[in-house]
Amino acid sequence: DQQVKQNSPSLSVQEGRISILNCDYTNSMFDYFLWYKKYPAEGPTFLISISSIKDKNEDGRFTVFLNKSAKHLSLHIVPSQPGDSAVYFCAASEETSGSRLTFGEGTQLTVNP
Amino acid sequence: NAGVTQTPKFRILKIGQSMTLQCTQDMNHNYMYWYRQDPGMGLKLIYYSVGAGITDKGEVPNGYNVSRSTTEDFPLRLELAAPSQTSVYFCASRKGGREKYGYTFGSGTRLTVV
Repeated sequence: DQQVKQNSPSLSVQEGRISILNCDYTNSMFDYFLWYKKYPAEGPTFLISISSIKDKNEDGRFTVFLNKSAKHLSLHIVPSQPGDSAVYFCAASEETSGSRLTFGEGTQLTVNP
Repeated sequence: NAGVTQTPKFRILKIGQSMTLQCTQDMNHNYMYWYRQDPGMGLKLIYYSVGAGITDKGEVPNGYNVSRSTTEDFPLRLELAAPSQTSVYFCASRKGGREKYGYTFGSGTRLTVV
């Protein structure tokens, strides 16, 4: 039972354009959502998070949007840079689970110069 | 500040062998986690700990054991290695509270069981 799904295994965009990475979840008890970035041969790095009481959180070039009714969140990167090329994981947690994270499968983002 | 340190980085095991994956953090974090990542899959939680002396199972604990005798160390033990345990293993930690500031991950251990 995959509770967090990233349906696009890969995404390719041009430098300077917007990258939109999507994530869907099924567990309505999830109340905290995070995005991680992972480069090859490294561990995931925390990027940005959002609480379920918000619908948007922004940090520089990165914005996360949450649509609770659709159980959908997205990560927008504007403008995209070649250094953003990495695997992006969506993750979610619920307080009753001890705040453990459930991860999506990941999306490989490639930003072309 | 080293963060989360995992050793070894790579290991090849034969079926039936055992080994311990080491994880140490120097941030005085209470919570520690072991995840595995298989190709094309997200990270699956193996075991976690909310503090020294306290451990609990995650989604995929079978074939593994952990201990948490100190705040800093959280080793993962594989007994009777099987090909299904071929994976990349990540250790992570966080201070406490909710995940607002995210986990800190180690760089991973790539394990192959042949």
